[in-house]
Amino acid sequence: DGGITQSPKYLFRKEGQNVTLSCEQNLNHDAMYWYRQDPGQGLRLIYYSQIVNDFQKGDIAEGYSVSREKKESFPLTVTSAQKNPTAFYLCASNDLGADTQYFGPGTRLTVL
Amino acid sequence: AQKVTQAQTEISVVEKEDVTLDCVYETRDTTYYLFWYKQPPSGELVFLIRRNSFDEQNEISGRYSWNFQKSTSSFNFTITASQVVDSAVYFCALSEAQGGSEKLVFGKGMKLTVNP
Repeated sequence: DGGITQSPKYLFRKEGQNVTLSCEQNLNHDAMYWYRQDPGQGLRLIYYSQIVNDFQKGDIAEGYSVSREKKESFPLTVTSAQKNPTAFYLCASNDLGADTQYFGPGTRLTVL
Repeated sequence: AQKVTQAQTEISVVEKEDVTLDCVYETRDTTYYLFWYKQPPSGELVFLIRRNSFDEQNEISGRYSWNFQKSTSSFNFTITASQVVDSAVYFCALSEAQGGSEKLVFGKGMKLTVNP
């Protein structure tokens, strides 16, 4: 089945540790996105990538890093520099020129 | 700057009631897209509809209908004869089409609870 997968669904980390969230898509989409969702808030864009080996900062990129070595994969690293990393993280993708973004199931990160 | 406002944060209805979710947007672009997504308790965002700025025709899909009015910058969503399965958080979103990458600006969401 075509779709977007994110793993793990739940993730617990100690404060000060870096953690990497996985996002894979087999839809052959060019663009991929990472969003953060906090309780009672809408989604905010962290990073996005239109093409392999290229990515741009979104509205809240500080404390995060990404890579796009393969078209189907766009991992997000939450670094120790992120002051409040506990949140729900959603990955999305779409074709360039096609506006509709499709989302993965999300990863809930809790930093203890 | 682009902005999406969902003034209602939470609504609770009884099954079979109709409910309208409001969405007001701000943009200086003449070309833009509006979206509604549903987020059930599982967390995944489910795409419901996309509407471009040049198409003000209302749309109906089963029990769902959407009313787009550029004059009031609104894109409201109505669920007719609501069901318990409609319980979710609903997001309205606006796209910024920049160089082929469509950045979405989201409202804060509206939590709908449909009680049996």
